[in-house]
Amino acid sequence: GQQLNQSPQSMFIQEGEDVSMNCTSSSIFNTWLWYKQEPGEGPVLLIALYKAGELTSNGRLTAQFGITRKDSFLNISASIPSDVGIYFCAGRFMEYGNKLVFGAGTILRVKS
Amino acid sequence: GAVVSQHPSRVICKSGTSVKIECRSLDFQATTMFWYRQFPKQSLMLMATSNEGSKATYEQGVEKDKFLINHASLTLSTLTVTSAHPEDSSFYICSAGGAGAATDTQYFGPGTRLTVL
Repeated sequence: GQQLNQSPQSMFIQEGEDVSMNCTSSSIFNTWLWYKQEPGEGPVLLIALYKAGELTSNGRLTAQFGITRKDSFLNISASIPSDVGIYFCAGRFMEYGNKLVFGAGTILRVKS
Repeated sequence: GAVVSQHPSRVICKSGTSVKIECRSLDFQATTMFWYRQFPKQSLMLMATSNEGSKATYEQGVEKDKFLINHASLTLSTLTVTSAHPEDSSFYICSAGGAGAATDTQYFGPGTRLTVL
């Protein structure tokens, strides 16, 4: 099936640093979503992107829908301890209907 | 964002019993709900798509007789794990999308941890 390549797999950063993660695919997507999941909880939607080139912010988070529609990135500025969790990208592409394809996740650890 | 609830949050059952998990959209009507399974330190695996008033669509490799899905109303979908076995132990998560929420967006429930002894 279609796959999203999400990187990096994990990050261990110092509090205050900026974080960047991305997802790429060989398929063209019409929606990109970024979620955060904490242990024992369901994923929480952070940012939704619907148009190629769209750049959207949510507080310290910024995400962009790539121009080629095959990639997206998520940036977190000035990380804090509560940013810890697993971040997933997810996307929809036409041939897959309204189902989401998920990346493998990026594990973020922050040391204070 | 839209609110989706799941019940129970955690369940422990004996092998051979059936377990029902409920997924509710609390502030919008969900024409479509999705059921996922997640193993430790792994991503979400879509099991089935549940459409209100019609049969669920199962992903390849998912046994429909094992995982019964009912989407009887626009706010409720249920997943029943029948004759559960230890290998069915997992984290089950539902999501919902549809009227009242951005149709391209899925909102997830908090998940249900199933442990089969």
